Amino acid sequence: DGGITQSPKYLFRKEGQNVTLSCEQNLNHDAMYWYRQDPGQGLRLIYYSQIVNDFQKGDIAEGYSVSREKKESFPLTVTSAQKNPTAFYLCASSTRDRPNYGYTFGSGTRLTVV
Amino acid sequence: AQKITQTQPGMFVQEKEAVTLDCTYDTSDPSYGLFWYKQPSSGEMIFLIYQGSYDQQNATEGRYSLNFQKARKSANLVISASQLGDSAMYFCAMRRYIFNAGNMLTFGGGTRLMVKP
Repeated sequence: DGGITQSPKYLFRKEGQNVTLSCEQNLNHDAMYWYRQDPGQGLRLIYYSQIVNDFQKGDIAEGYSVSREKKESFPLTVTSAQKNPTAFYLCASSTRDRPNYGYTFGSGTRLTVV
Repeated sequence: AQKITQTQPGMFVQEKEAVTLDCTYDTSDPSYGLFWYKQPSSGEMIFLIYQGSYDQQNATEGRYSLNFQKARKSANLVISASQLGDSAMYFCAMRRYIFNAGNMLTFGGGTRLMVKP
């Protein structure tokens, strides 16, 4: 079955370290997105990419970086510049061919700074 | 600017009763879409229902219906015959088209629904 795979499910990071969250989709979707969710809060957009080799900053891009070298993959790096990285991170994808379906989401990665 | 507002941070409902979750939106675009997602404690986002701005009838999907009042800019989710498994966070979202960026979803802050046995 097609879907989005996020890994790892849980991630622990020491202060000052960079970590990379994986997001892979086999839906042949053009667009991919990264959201951050803090406890009891809504989703905030970090980065998005509409096509390969192109991506745009969202509302809270500072301290994060992404790449889109392949259509299927959109990894997110949380850098040491992100001062409060502990959160739940959701990856999503969409296709312009079926806009009424909104996004397909991965199951998320819970990042904790220790 | 587009904005989605969910004014109920938390709600209780008795099992088997109906419940309405509020959502208001603000947009100047004539064409837009409205979505509801469910997020259980496991964290995944589950698509529930969609309403297009030009749709003449309110959307329904099983026990879920969307009370779309375009003039009031509201898109409330109605869950009939609540079940214990409905306990979760619920997010309203609006799709807008951004030139050179494609379709984007903006999410409300969410409502936590708790179903009492």
